[in-house]
Amino acid sequence: QKEVEQDPGPLSVPEGAIVSLNCTYSNSAFQYFMWYRQYSRKGPELLMYTYSSGNKEDGRFTAQVDKSSKYISLFIRDSQPSDSATYLCAMSVRQGAQKLVFGQGTRLTINP
Amino acid sequence: EAGVTQFPSHSVIEKGQTVTLRCDPISGHDNLYWYRRVMGKEIKFLLHFVKESKQDESGMPNNRFLAERTGGTYSTLKVQPAELEDSGVYFCASSPKWGDYEQYFGPGTRLTVT
Repeated sequence: QKEVEQDPGPLSVPEGAIVSLNCTYSNSAFQYFMWYRQYSRKGPELLMYTYSSGNKEDGRFTAQVDKSSKYISLFIRDSQPSDSATYLCAMSVRQGAQKLVFGQGTRLTINP
Repeated sequence: EAGVTQFPSHSVIEKGQTVTLRCDPISGHDNLYWYRRVMGKEIKFLLHFVKESKQDESGMPNNRFLAERTGGTYSTLKVQPAELEDSGVYFCASSPKWGDYEQYFGPGTRLTVT
C-alpha cells in the first residue's frame, strides 16, 4: 500500500470554478503537509505548507489538513487557465530538512 | 539568484551503459536531495546530503546507484550499469539549512534506458 494516495486525474474544469484536490495517507507520523505545483517540463515548486491539522489560506488557495481522517485538501478559488498544472501533495514526519513523501499528483486543466 | 540546475536535461542510453547526472544546487544551500519519478508513479526520495555528507540514503534502490557531493557543492548521481527500470525523471532539490522546510527543485533529468 502506498503511503500517500492521490487521484492522478486528469481533472478539467471551466475558468472561475472552485477546484478541490485531495490526498489520503496511511502513516500517522506525518506532521507536515505540503502542496507543490508542477508545470510541464519544470520541477515542482512549493505552493502551500501546513503543520498538523487545520486550515491555511493564501490568496485564492486554501489548504486543509484533517489528521484524524488522514486527509488533506487543496482548494483553488476563482480558478484561472494559468493554474493548469500538476498538483502534488507531499508530507514529512519532521520539520526542516527531511525527505518528502509525495502523492502521484493530479493533472489539472482550467478551460477558458 | 540562479535556481537549481541539472544536466543533462535528457539522456538516452542503452542497457548496461553508465550515465552520470549532475545537479548544481542554489549557492549556499547545505541540503541537497535526489528524487526520482518513474513513469506513472509518484516522485520518490533517493537520498539527502548535508554539505558533503550523506544524511539519509534510505531511498537508493541498489548498489548500481552512486551519489557524491564534491566539497559540499554540486552533486553527481551515477548509474552503472543502467537497467530498463531505471528510466524516469531524476529531480534534484536543495534547501538552505536544517530548519528550512522548503525544497527548491530543479527541472529534472529525463533518463531513458533502451
